Amino acid sequence: KAGVTQTPRYLIKTRGQQVTLSCSPISGHRSVSWYQQTPGQGLQFLFEYFSETQRNKGNFPGRFSGRQFSNSRSEMNVSTLELGDSALYLCASSLAMDYNEQFFGPGTRLTVL
Amino acid sequence: QKEVEQDPGPLSVPEGAIVSLNCTYSNSAFQYFMWYRQYSRKGPELLMYTYSSGNKEDGRFTAQVDKSSKYISLFIRDSQPSDSATYLCAPENQAGTALIFGKGTTLSVSS
Repeated sequence: KAGVTQTPRYLIKTRGQQVTLSCSPISGHRSVSWYQQTPGQGLQFLFEYFSETQRNKGNFPGRFSGRQFSNSRSEMNVSTLELGDSALYLCASSLAMDYNEQFFGPGTRLTVL
Repeated sequence: QKEVEQDPGPLSVPEGAIVSLNCTYSNSAFQYFMWYRQYSRKGPELLMYTYSSGNKEDGRFTAQVDKSSKYISLFIRDSQPSDSATYLCAPENQAGTALIFGKGTTLSVSS
């Protein structure tokens, strides 16, 4: 069974640009969560989607947004990039919202210059 | 006070040692507690989880929750070099809508 895949794996952008990251969950999983991981703040919850609806949102500015498609694939978008947005962005999928069965992808490493 | 506190280490031990990794949390309403392991350049993988207080054992790993002191522990017996990774504790938030991760403890097991 294929795991969670994220594309691209690495990305370099400049301040002010926008970026879109993609996540394909494990087949059959309908919940996708996004996290930001930095050395200073650790892993922080961004938002969670289930059946194309955002169910939960973390404490991030409106520049961070996401969506989920009917096939459960998800994208997140960050507009007007700031230097502090440099991080590893992780997505995790689960059947519903079962954290004891949440599987992470390898992440997308975003560097903002 | 942060909701979840975890000593970042690094923690270095010889192969075969017993390792104790710990977290403290502030919200007494937390019920589910997860432990994740993250290797370099990889996403976190779930090791085990416990519900409420008590112990849970899985092979060489034992997770322990003491709700009275808001203390979470992960014990690794007979540690191996392959256990070298960052270990993250993650209680589920009060509403059951997200995980709150500690910053992780980096463990290095030398052969």
